[in-house]
Amino acid sequence: DAGITQSPRYKITETGRQVTLMCHQTWSHSYMFWYRQDLGHGLRLIYYSAAADITDKGEVPDGYVVSRSKTENFPLTLESATRSQTSVYFCASLGGVRQEKLFFGSGTQLSVL
Amino acid sequence: KQEVTQIPAALSVPEGENLVLNCSFTDSAIYNLQWFRQDPGKGLTSLLLIQSSQREQTSGRLNASLDKSSGRSTLYIAASQPGDSATYLCAAHQAGTALIFGKGTTLSVSS
Repeated sequence: DAGITQSPRYKITETGRQVTLMCHQTWSHSYMFWYRQDLGHGLRLIYYSAAADITDKGEVPDGYVVSRSKTENFPLTLESATRSQTSVYFCASLGGVRQEKLFFGSGTQLSVL
Repeated sequence: KQEVTQIPAALSVPEGENLVLNCSFTDSAIYNLQWFRQDPGKGLTSLLLIQSSQREQTSGRLNASLDKSSGRSTLYIAASQPGDSATYLCAAHQAGTALIFGKGTTLSVSS
């Protein structure tokens, strides 16, 4: 299916464990993003990538690692999960004629116990 | 650093009413301004995109305006329906960077 796919949809883990959230897009969009959404904070940018092998920090990058070896994939890793990282995580890519329209995945709901 | 604010945080209206959602941003050097809709437990869906050179965009019962000089955008919803109940988010896009989002306005339309 064309679009942007996130997996898993739901994840429960324990503090201190490493967790990787996957994001895959079928359009070959250059720009990809990771946001987290929390009550009272809205959507906050974690990391973004302008192309394969190019990544940059967003507003809240601490505790997260990203990689982008292929254009279509942009995984987000929590190196040692903490309870404060319990959140809904959204992956997005920028498309359209002028690379201006943002397309979102369905999100991953992560609970860190 | 771009900051985006949305007022009000929540809004309840009866069906059929026209309403306005407000969005303000601190840095007027934007590439475009986008409005999204989010239903509970779902991802975000793009509604309208206004280029920095444009003043407004329309889609059906939705009309979004942009005033860069004052750092404001409004989303006008005409003849509201219960199906319009959702959270509406605006986002400011600066060239070469990510979109910065407001916290959203949660709209409830009662029948």
